[in-house]
Amino acid sequence: GAVVSQHPSRVICKSGTSVKIECRSLDFQATTMFWYRQFPKQSLMLMATSNEGSKATYEQGVEKDKFLINHASLTLSTLTVTSAHPEDSSFYICSARDPRRGENQPQHFGDGTRLSIL
Amino acid sequence: AQKVTQAQTEISVVEKEDVTLDCVYETRDTTYYLFWYKQPPSGELVFLIRRNSFDEQNEISGRYSWNFQKSTSSFNFTITASQVVDSAVYFCALSEADNTDKLIFGTGTRLQVFP
Repeated sequence: GAVVSQHPSRVICKSGTSVKIECRSLDFQATTMFWYRQFPKQSLMLMATSNEGSKATYEQGVEKDKFLINHASLTLSTLTVTSAHPEDSSFYICSARDPRRGENQPQHFGDGTRLSIL
Repeated sequence: AQKVTQAQTEISVVEKEDVTLDCVYETRDTTYYLFWYKQPPSGELVFLIRRNSFDEQNEISGRYSWNFQKSTSSFNFTITASQVVDSAVYFCALSEADNTDKLIFGTGTRLQVFP
């Protein structure tokens, strides 16, 4: 079964709306989670690393004020797309690794959130 | 700088054909990890394999096999006797020792298997 849950799976909203996406680790605590963005027919690009209890680390070119990340607990990270516009329409995916399984275990990905801004 | 190149954008095959997906990577690290993920139309990413840079042994898992060649910086993926359910986008990815959780993905190869 899924070990990383992402919600919602799909969002359609008007331009100017802020949208919050949740990423939860199930059955394990994740001090670090990752947020990726995928444009249609393109690769996944890492947007930011979400760190529990501290500020997220953003990749070059990603607007911190646009994509707010909060990692308030060991099982939940949220990505808020503020004042979303059509160009923000994309597929957003989070991931986390179960630290109990050691460094050799891969990350688990959520099912993704397809965001469509009208 | 790290980079993953999947030169094949799309591949179409007929069921039961074998197909190889190419992956070439660039990194300055001597310790790194390579991955393959499958993304079916539904969108979720399915982990297929993780290989560290010190293990050049080829791996076989059912109809899947992987060929890791450090000399050519390649980590190719072969599906034997392809099936329609194999249709998906396949991503090759790289992570480096100083941050093993940070994945750098290739652009993906869309595989279509026709009955």
